[in-house]
Amino acid sequence: EVQLVESGGGLVQPGGSLRLSCAASGFTFSSYWMSWVRQAPGKGLEWVANIKQDGSEKYYVDSVKGRFTISRDNAKNSLYLQMNSLRAEDTAVYYCARTRRSGRDAFDIWGQGTMVTVSS
Amino acid sequence: AIRMTQSPSSFSASTGDRVTITCRASQGISSYLAWYQQKPGKAPKLLIYAASTLQSGVPSRFSGSGSGTDFTLTISCLQSEDFATYYCQQYYSYPSYTFGQGTKLEIK
Repeated sequence: EVQLVESGGGLVQPGGSLRLSCAASGFTFSSYWMSWVRQAPGKGLEWVANIKQDGSEKYYVDSVKGRFTISRDNAKNSLYLQMNSLRAEDTAVYYCARTRRSGRDAFDIWGQGTMVTVSS
Repeated sequence: AIRMTQSPSSFSASTGDRVTITCRASQGISSYLAWYQQKPGKAPKLLIYAASTLQSGVPSRFSGSGSGTDFTLTISCLQSEDFATYYCQQYYSYPSYTFGQGTKLEIK
């Protein structure tokens, strides 16, 4: 079964750090662009970051540039999001998502999400 | 950045109705548009990509159309399981993407 499973969310104080993980199974992970998408409580979806198959290209939404780092380990079929200098506005459910065929494509597989709460 | 505007933001309908949701891009995006369905507490699910191509396993009562700046998602005969929130997404501006604000479809 094609699956993505996120982990690593939790409660963190403003200015703190957190590392999210996404474990992939059921498909050739190294063949796909991967993204992180977040959803603040009661709000819509926001793309956060993505990474090319070999990790050579990484892109971020402006609001997280310089604070978040996306990475992947193809040997472990895993995607990561290192989040530093966290702010209250980063509070959200974070989803990892697979891009369907190429980088310019829709997200066809999503994880169940992991909640990140930034609060003192 | 390309802005995606959905209308309406919410509306009510009855089982069996035909409903249409509109998505407008702030600039032309060709057919680089997807539609997702999200139910409370669940991850989004891809319904349509390339503006009009049905994702595998999605019922044929869902259809998409449009190109350039104006797009529609149509559900031909609403079923109880279709009451959810729907999002459009543009991927023309790859490697960044933007979503519409969502349309919540409720039972009348």
